[in-house]
Amino acid sequence: GQQLNQSPQSMFIQEGEDVSMNCTSSSIFNTWLWYKQDPGEGPVLLIALYKAGELTSNGRLTAQFGITRKDSFLNISASIPSDVGIYFCAGLLGGSQGNLIFGKGTKLSVKP
Amino acid sequence: NAGVMQNPRHLVRRRGQEARLRCSPMKGHSHVYWYRQLPEEGLKFMVYLQKENIIDESGMPKERFSAEFPKEGPSILRIQQVVRGDSAAYFCASSTRPRQADQPQHFGDGTRLSIL
Repeated sequence: GQQLNQSPQSMFIQEGEDVSMNCTSSSIFNTWLWYKQDPGEGPVLLIALYKAGELTSNGRLTAQFGITRKDSFLNISASIPSDVGIYFCAGLLGGSQGNLIFGKGTKLSVKP
Repeated sequence: NAGVMQNPRHLVRRRGQEARLRCSPMKGHSHVYWYRQLPEEGLKFMVYLQKENIIDESGMPKERFSAEFPKEGPSILRIQQVVRGDSAAYFCASSTRPRQADQPQHFGDGTRLSIL
């Protein structure tokens, strides 16, 4: 089936650092979504992107829909402890009935 | 996140029993999606339903699994004769108009199914 390659798989952050993660695919997507999942909870929508080249911010979060429509990135600026968790990208293929394809996630942890 | 309600939050079953997972979508949402998540993995699509109709079940195993979304009441994901490999977190999402660009899916907190 279709796959999204999400990287990095995990990263450690120190408070105040900027964080960047991305998703790539060999397929063209019409929509990119970024979710955050905390332990024991469901994914919470952070940012939704609907047009190629679109750059959207939500507080300290910024995400972009790649020009080729095959990739997207998420940046978190000036990270804080509550940013830890697992971040998922999800995409919607053209002609899809609405079923999202998810990446495997980027796990954000605090540096010891 | 609390808008989509799933129950139970945790469900323990023995091999061979049936598991029933319920999902009430957000108010005003008539499109429901079920996803499965294994540990350390992303979510995998199973089935998409509108009221009284299955629209896409391409991600659902052909045997033992079924889903419904009746005119009244929650959507139900049913797993018959459960096996250990069915242990996972099952998430439900809902939206208003999935093909419209501005209607993303919102997820519930999931049901953690454990098979003994």
